[in-house]
Amino acid sequence: DAGVIQSPRHEVTEMGQEVTLRCKPISGHDYLFWYRQTMMRGLELLIYFNNNVPIDDSGMPEDRFSAKMPNASFSTLKIQPSEPRDSAVYFCASSPGGLPLANYGYTFGSGTRLTVV
Amino acid sequence: QKEVEQDPGPLSVPEGAIVSLNCTYSNSAFQYFMWYRQYSRKGPELLMYTYSSGNKEDGRFTAQVDKSSKYISLFIRDSQPSDSATYLCAMSRYTGNQFYFGTGTSLTVIP
Repeated sequence: DAGVIQSPRHEVTEMGQEVTLRCKPISGHDYLFWYRQTMMRGLELLIYFNNNVPIDDSGMPEDRFSAKMPNASFSTLKIQPSEPRDSAVYFCASSPGGLPLANYGYTFGSGTRLTVV
Repeated sequence: QKEVEQDPGPLSVPEGAIVSLNCTYSNSAFQYFMWYRQYSRKGPELLMYTYSSGNKEDGRFTAQVDKSSKYISLFIRDSQPSDSATYLCAMSRYTGNQFYFGTGTSLTVIP
């Protein structure tokens, strides 16, 4: 398996533009997570899906952020309009689920480094 | 107060040293305690996990949990330059699907 695939690896955009980040989870994994990582705040959970259904989006910073999972093999995180404070590394992770979750862990993608100027 | 606290470092040690990395937490419901390793410009990868209190050893790595003090540690023996990375602790409740991460400690092992 190729692991969790994220695209693009780097994105530089101007303030006010729409940004779309993409993720392909590992086949057969029922859970998909979107995280944001910054030096100051570390890894923050934005939203997670179970079987393509959003379960908890309480970490989404504001209405400018939205996420979708139209099928089991694809998810997007969209920021519209983007702001400089959105600059961070965005990670997608997937997990086969089951208890205990720690036994399976998350498999992270390599991340998308977003810079909003 | 954040649920998981971790000293960001950076930590720099000579090759062969014993490294101690630590996290504290506030939520007594946490049952699973994990350590992830993150190389530069890569995603975190699971290193090891422990359940409840006690120790777990895997090669040069030992994870230790003290639930009474809400304190966890990762020890690296005979550290190698290839151990240079950021180490993140993570925790979860038994029934929860969410992991709570520390901010990570940056480690450099100098040859």
